[in-house]
Amino acid sequence: EAGVVQSPRYKIIEKKQPVAFWCNPISGHNTLYWYRQNLGQGPELLIRYENEEAVDDSQLPKDRFSAERLKGVDSTLKIQPAELGDSAVYLCASSLGASGKKNIQYFGAGTRLSVL
Amino acid sequence: SQKIEQNSEALNIQEGKTATLTCNYTNYSPAYLQWYRQDPGRGPVFLLLIRENEKEKRKERLKVTFDTTLKQSLFHITASQPADSATYLCALDRGSTLGRLYFGRGTQLTVWP
Repeated sequence: EAGVVQSPRYKIIEKKQPVAFWCNPISGHNTLYWYRQNLGQGPELLIRYENEEAVDDSQLPKDRFSAERLKGVDSTLKIQPAELGDSAVYLCASSLGASGKKNIQYFGAGTRLSVL
Repeated sequence: SQKIEQNSEALNIQEGKTATLTCNYTNYSPAYLQWYRQDPGRGPVFLLLIRENEKEKRKERLKVTFDTTLKQSLFHITASQPADSATYLCALDRGSTLGRLYFGRGTQLTVWP
């Protein structure tokens, strides 16, 4: 069974440019997460989807970040415009549900973003 | 807000010894606590989950304890091997339908031969 697939693996852009990340979760996982992980830190949640509905986006900087999960499967996270402080690893994860054993999360390899 | 502290940024031990990693938390009491392993350039990988009413959980050479009075979880790797070298993250789940995991910053474990 394929795991969570993310692309691209690496992205280097200049500040003020737009960038997009793509995630394909594990088949059958209704819950999808986007995290940001800064160097030496743990992942921090940006947004959580239940199917196609964003149920927790309180940590998403909405002035420049947007996300969508059309048809409740694949998801895209976008930053426009990117700032130097956005340099980080962006992780996508999926799970069967929101609590307990169902909240065991399966992560993709991440996209390492460098903003110059 | 939830605060999670993992005892140290780095832990170096000799092969064959037991590694003990600590996760302390404040504020909200988690219903579940999870431990993940993360290798460089990869996403975290789930290892173990323990419920608030469980004292201990084991899986092969791994053992997790959960003390809600001390607000602490201990993660043990017995008979450690160089292949166990990685960063280990604890994550708190408050349960209900919140779905959010609160991650600590991780402890980087190095097991030397």
